[in-house]
Formats: sequence, structure tokens, C-alpha cells
Amino acid sequence: NAGVTQTPKFRVLKTGQSMTLLCAQDMNHEYMYWYRQDPGMGLRLIHYSVGEGTTAKGEVPDGYNVSRLKKQNFLLGLESAAPSQTSVYFCASSYRDIQETQYFGPGTRLLVL
Amino acid sequence: TQLLEQSPQFLSIQEGENLTVYCNSSSVFSSLQWYRQEPGEGPVLLVTVVTGGEVKKLKRLTFQFGDARKDSSLHITAAQPGDTGLYLCAGARSYKYIFGTGTRLKVLA
Repeated sequence: NAGVTQTPKFRVLKTGQSMTLLCAQDMNHEYMYWYRQDPGMGLRLIHYSVGEGTTAKGEVPDGYNVSRLKKQNFLLGLESAAPSQTSVYFCASSYRDIQETQYFGPGTRLLVL
Repeated sequence: TQLLEQSPQFLSIQEGENLTVYCNSSSVFSSLQWYRQEPGEGPVLLVTVVTGGEVKKLKRLTFQFGDARKDSSLHITAAQPGDTGLYLCAGARSYKYIFGTGTRLKVLA
């Protein structure tokens, strides 16, 4: 079991460029989440999904889009990157019950110049 | 809007000392989780508390959920350098987790 994997690990973008972050899990989890982590802010929820084909907005969804076409994958897209989106992005997944453990990926470090 | 405030933000102590980290909110959560995060890695779950007033122990770590399910505490007895890391609380509400601001702990040998 690989658990939760994230691609890429690190990326540098110029303002206005687009990119997609890929999250994959092999634990057959229903719920998947995208967070961003900034210094002094803890983790903030961007978007989440409670099942294949479903997505919902979190605390800070502006500037991001997501898709969950397959149960095991959750994609986070930045259509036009801004310096304010410089952050570390974490993907997580869990079983159907909200009280279950969230398993986190290793993170993607994104720098927008 | 940050609904979960953690205190203190930073804590540097000597090996063997005791410490308590607090996680406070004005909102009620259905459950609350504590995570520890090492540099360059994702958070790892330590414990989930569900019932108001619940106390759980994990070796030298004691977790408590407030009676009203709005706050929680993490107490570490006889801290060791291996306890160094970022401690995060997270409240669960309606399919989502709200994370606290984090407490960065450094235990000096």
C-alpha cells in the first residue's frame, strides 16, 4: 500500500500560469480533501469530496478547481496562479465516517513568482 | 475565519518538563482530533475524542475533550526530544475538518 501520494513534490510557477496537482490513494477511501498550509495558519480546507463525482467548497476555494472523476484520484487545479497561492498543499483521505482517521500525503510545495 | 485557536503558538522546554497545549473554539464539534506533523511531512493522527468530557491517554500524552465539545487540551508528561513537532487540533463538522492554528513544540535535550 502506497497510502496517499501527491504529484509533483515541488513546483515553481510564474504568475498567470496554470497547473494541476494530483492526489492518489489506494485505500478505497470515500472522502478526499485538499488543504493548504501557510506559516501561522495551520491547515485550511480548499475543497473536498465525499465520493466519486462529487466535490464541495471548503474555507478557501477561490482560485482553485477540483475534480473527482475516479474514486482513487482527486485533482486540484490552479487556472491562473497568483503569488498568494504560494503554499504547501496537502491531500488527505478517509473512510466514510468523519470521525475516521485522515491519512495525509507528503505535500506539494508550490512557489508562484 | 479561524474557528479553532491553539495556545501557545510556540513552546520550547527542557527534556523532562510537563506541558499543556490548548485548543479553543466558540463552536461545537462532533469530534476533535489531534495530529503531529514533522518537517516536510503530512500530519499524522494521534487521537480522536468524541464524547464531551472524554479523556484519552497515549503513553505520556493525555487528551481531553471539553464537556461542551468546544475545546480540548493535550498534556505531555516528561517531554522528550522525540516529542518535538507541530501539534494540530482539528474539529469535525459536517464532512469537514477545521484545523487549529498549530503549536510548535521544541524539546531540548
